[in-house]
Amino acid sequence: DTGVSQDPRHKITKRGQNVTFRCDPISEHNRLYWYRQTLGQGPEFLTYFQNEAQLEKSRLLSDRFSAERPKGSFSTLEIQRTEQGDSAMYLCASSLEPANNEQFFGPGTRLTVL
Amino acid sequence: TQLLEQSPQFLSIQEGENLTVYCNSSSVFSSLQWYRQEPGEGPVLLVTVVTGGEVKKLKRLTFQFGDARKDSSLHITAAQPGDTGLYLCAYDRGSTLGRLYFGRGTQLTVWP
Repeated sequence: DTGVSQDPRHKITKRGQNVTFRCDPISEHNRLYWYRQTLGQGPEFLTYFQNEAQLEKSRLLSDRFSAERPKGSFSTLEIQRTEQGDSAMYLCASSLEPANNEQFFGPGTRLTVL
Repeated sequence: TQLLEQSPQFLSIQEGENLTVYCNSSSVFSSLQWYRQEPGEGPVLLVTVVTGGEVKKLKRLTFQFGDARKDSSLHITAAQPGDTGLYLCAYDRGSTLGRLYFGRGTQLTVWP
């Protein structure tokens, strides 16, 4: 088991461009979470999947953000029309049932919007 | 609104010193978790404290959950450069969803 992986690790883009990040969770984990972390802050919850179903979305997830987990395995997070305020570390985590099981975090994708 | 207040925000010490960082709230929690995050990596769970007054030890790290389950502390004995990182406390609301709420963290730097 190689743990949670995220790709790319770093992304630099110009304002207004679209970006997509990928998360591969630990293979048998049915729960997948996306968090965002800005400088000097702890991670903030964005959205959660149980298998392929997106069960919760934070108010932080504006209309420009969309996440999918089409086959209940890997997940993608897309940001359309990026803004400088989107610059952050985007973290993915996965876990098993039940809800209080440990969440294993990936290394994150650091997004810089110029 | 930050429900978990962590202090200090930054801590810079010499190798061999002892230190304590705090995670405080006015709310009662069923449990609190402590994570360490190294630069360019995701957080890694260190411990979960569940019972009021509970003390857990992980080598040189001692975690305590307040009697009222509103606060927690992390004490490191004889800090080493490898302890450098961002220490985060977090809770979940005990729902079936499992989302975590984090404090801002304490950035610890241990100099050789």
